[in-house]
Formats: sequence, C-alpha cells, structure tokens
Amino acid sequence: SQQGEEDPQALSIQEGENATMNCSYKTSINNLQWYRQNSGRGLVHLILIRSNEREKHSGRLRVTLDTSKKSSSLLITASRAADTASYFCATAEFSGNTGKLIFGQGTTLQVKP
Amino acid sequence: NAGVMQNPRHLVRRRGQEARLRCSPMKGHSHVYWYRQLPEEGLKFMVYLQKENIIDESGMPKERFSAEFPKEGPSILRIQQVVRGDSAAYFCASSPAGQVGGGYTFGSGTRLTVV
Repeated sequence: SQQGEEDPQALSIQEGENATMNCSYKTSINNLQWYRQNSGRGLVHLILIRSNEREKHSGRLRVTLDTSKKSSSLLITASRAADTASYFCATAEFSGNTGKLIFGQGTTLQVKP
Repeated sequence: NAGVMQNPRHLVRRRGQEARLRCSPMKGHSHVYWYRQLPEEGLKFMVYLQKENIIDESGMPKERFSAEFPKEGPSILRIQQVVRGDSAAYFCASSPAGQVGGGYTFGSGTRLTVV
C-alpha cells in the first residue's frame, strides 16, 4: 500500500489563516520531504527533514517529524492565495541507495483571498 | 540555470504507437529519476539512472517501458505500443551525486494522452 498517506485530502481556508497537513508512513525512513505542485506543473521541493530531526522551519513553513508515530506535519502560517496548490510528502527509505522517493496522495489546499 | 527540462510538454499518441519522452537534467546533475502521476494521485517511482547506468528500475512495468541516460544527451523514457492506461503525466527529476534521496529538482512534466 502507499507509503505516505496524507490528511486531509482537501483543505480550504481564508487568506491569513494557518494550514496544517499531515502525512503518515509505514517503514523506516532516512528523511521525509514536502513538495508543492501547482495545477498542471511540476513539483517544487519545499523542505527536507531528516529522521534524527524533530522540527524544521523555512520561512512560513514549519515541519515536524515524529518517528515513533511515523508521521509528519506541514504547517503553513499566514497563508496567501499564492499558496493554493497540492502538497505532497515523500519519504526516502532508510537503507539502500535506490534514489526512490515514495509519495503520498497529496493534500489539495485552496486559500481564498 | 535552466532547471530540469522536459519535452515535449504534451504528447498525443494513438494506441500502438511509440512515445519518447526526453529529460535534460540540471547542469552538474548526474542522477535522473522518472516518476509517473496518474490523475488525482501522487507520483509513483519508475526508474533511477546515472550516466550510462540503470541503478534502480523497480518501478518500471516489465514490458513496453525502457529508459536510458546516455553519456551525451538527455535521458529518454520510451514507451512502446502505448495503451490508454499509459495516459499520465511523466515527471523527471535530477540531483547531483551525493544528494540521492535528498530534495530533487523536478521538471514540468510531459503529459501523455493516448487516444
């Protein structure tokens, strides 16, 4: 089954509000990454958190990782209309050097102006 | 830096034809990854290549699909005898050596439609 599963599938908020997306995974990981995809476009890498890290910040983004629960969350603070996109978590396996990332199904975020 | 370049952006093929998708990695990147995205789904790993080598093709369908990354030129994902189920967006990503499993740079994708 899918490694990364995201929740919620869709989220609609007003500009200025915070958006929180969650991701769960099943196996041991080396790192977990979040990507954004605007409609019809490619993926943009947002942030990477390693398995020995618990929290990471980048601008308005805050990512947490709980390896005991095999889960991560992405918080976007003070959202803007331009944040409207799909957000995917992806995990890199702990062992091996396959280069494979396993993606979740994504959360579609709509930020209303 | 032009980023990861994929072409064509859109490709329409009739059932039974061949589809060739091209990917030029970012300058200085020697690792290329291909992913497929079906409508309303996340990306699924297909293959990981280095120059002239296939490192991991565990996500490639056993038949009709092949990939290469020659010493010179772009990486090519080739789909022979396409079927309707091959319709999807195909994304290529690249990374430098030493960043395998790290944050990848993705291209804008090729949207394949099989009619």
